[in-house]
Amino acid sequence: AQRVTQPEKLLSVFKGAPVELKCNYSYSGSPELFWYVQYSRQRLQLLLRHISRESIKGFTADLNKGETSFHLKKPFAQEEDSAMYYCALRVGGAQKLVFGQGTRLTINP
Amino acid sequence: NAGVTQTPKFQVLKTGQSMTLQCAQDMNHEYMSWYRQDPGMGLRLIHYSVGAGITDQGEVPNGYNVSRSTTEDFPLRLLSAAPSQTSVYFCASSLGGTGSYEQYFGPGTRLTVT
Repeated sequence: AQRVTQPEKLLSVFKGAPVELKCNYSYSGSPELFWYVQYSRQRLQLLLRHISRESIKGFTADLNKGETSFHLKKPFAQEEDSAMYYCALRVGGAQKLVFGQGTRLTINP
Repeated sequence: NAGVTQTPKFQVLKTGQSMTLQCAQDMNHEYMSWYRQDPGMGLRLIHYSVGAGITDQGEVPNGYNVSRSTTEDFPLRLLSAAPSQTSVYFCASSLGGTGSYEQYFGPGTRLTVT
């Protein structure tokens, strides 16, 4: 069965510190993974997708098929990074997404 | 472009009442979906549609109906509301097909069932 697990409901780090949001998945097919972010009073929006191998707002995520992980990392956290982060897995040939439980990231000044 | 719009923003229902949550998009997207967001459970797919006239069930479809008569609209109907359906509901749309496309989300509808 397909599943996405984000083990941390809450994560708090200080400004300027590195941050890592964990995401593990279970999927028998070839995985396509995304990170979505929801800032306060804003819509859920795409942050990055593994297939693009890009860095957005200083965040990167590498797909590790051996560890079935897609952790989100940023070397120096900023206060504006405070938000709810969701890891998502695209399943099947359509656009269906399976989301993790979400991690609320708080950056302390 | 307005993107994905949802109405109403807030709704309170009594147990047993029915209602329709509206969702519309103006991006000519083929794929549309409904999610519910509950604390500690993330977003769970209720129903989705890959094009006008085609719908299918997601992970948690019980108690909800959908239809897709046009590309633009994808309403979600609660047949007989229950307190377990208290949640925040999000509609999303994306390009169809098999590509790795971004999903665009609406602002959400906060529903309380008493």
